[in-house]
Amino acid sequence: EDQVTQSPEALRLQEGESSSLNCSYTVSGLRGLFWYRQDPGKGPEFLFTLYSAGEEKEKERLKATLTKKESFLHITAPKPEDSATYLCAVRAAYSGAGSYQLTFGKGTKLSVIP
Amino acid sequence: KAGVTQTPRYLIKTRGQQVTLSCSPISGHRSVSWYQQTPGQGLQFLFEYFSETQRNKGNFPGRFSGRQFSNSRSEMNVSTLELGDSALYLCASSLTSGNDDTQYFGPGTRLTVL
Repeated sequence: EDQVTQSPEALRLQEGESSSLNCSYTVSGLRGLFWYRQDPGKGPEFLFTLYSAGEEKEKERLKATLTKKESFLHITAPKPEDSATYLCAVRAAYSGAGSYQLTFGKGTKLSVIP
Repeated sequence: KAGVTQTPRYLIKTRGQQVTLSCSPISGHRSVSWYQQTPGQGLQFLFEYFSETQRNKGNFPGRFSGRQFSNSRSEMNVSTLELGDSALYLCASSLTSGNDDTQYFGPGTRLTVL
C-alpha cells in the first residue's frame, strides 16, 4: 500500500526565516511526486512534479528536491503570503494503465509571521 | 483558459438524503478524478473517469458513485447520506496526453450532513 508521510504537521516561521518541509513516501514504482499548495476554503494549487531521484525544480522562493525515499520543499526567505498548507502526493506505477490516482500526505500547515 | 469548476460550492443535507455534485474539467482535459478531503483523513481518492469509463476506484462504499459525460463533465452521487460524509469534495482534471499528467483541482464542494 502506498504511503505518504509529511512532517512537520505545522510550522511557524518568521518572515525571512528559511526552512524545509519533508515528504517521505513508500510506493511500488514511482511515476511522479507532486507538490500542491492549498489555501483555506480552496482547492489545491499545483506547484511541482518530480519524476526521478536527483531532480530539482524551483519557483520563486520554493525549491523541490527528490530522493528515492523522500522529497523536500525548501522555502527561502518566506513571506506572509506563503502561508498555506503544502500537500505532497505520489502516483504509483501500478495504479493501472493510464490511471492518474494520487495518494496524498496530510500536509504541512505553514504560517509565516511578519 | 478557465479552470476546473465545481457546483454547487456549498451544500447542506440531512442524513438519509442523496446528493449530486458536478464538475466541469479544463477544456481539452479528458480525465476527471474525485477526492474527499476531511480534517482527519486528508485527501482520499474516490474514483477516476476517462472517456466516460471509470478507470479506477478508491476504497469507499457503494453509496458513492459517479459518471462522466461525452463532453468530459462529471458528476458524483452519494446516496443515503451519513454524518461522516461531511467533507470537502474535490474534482481534478488531467490532460492525459504525452508527458503532462498533472492534476488540476477545482475549488471543491463543501458538503455538510446534519
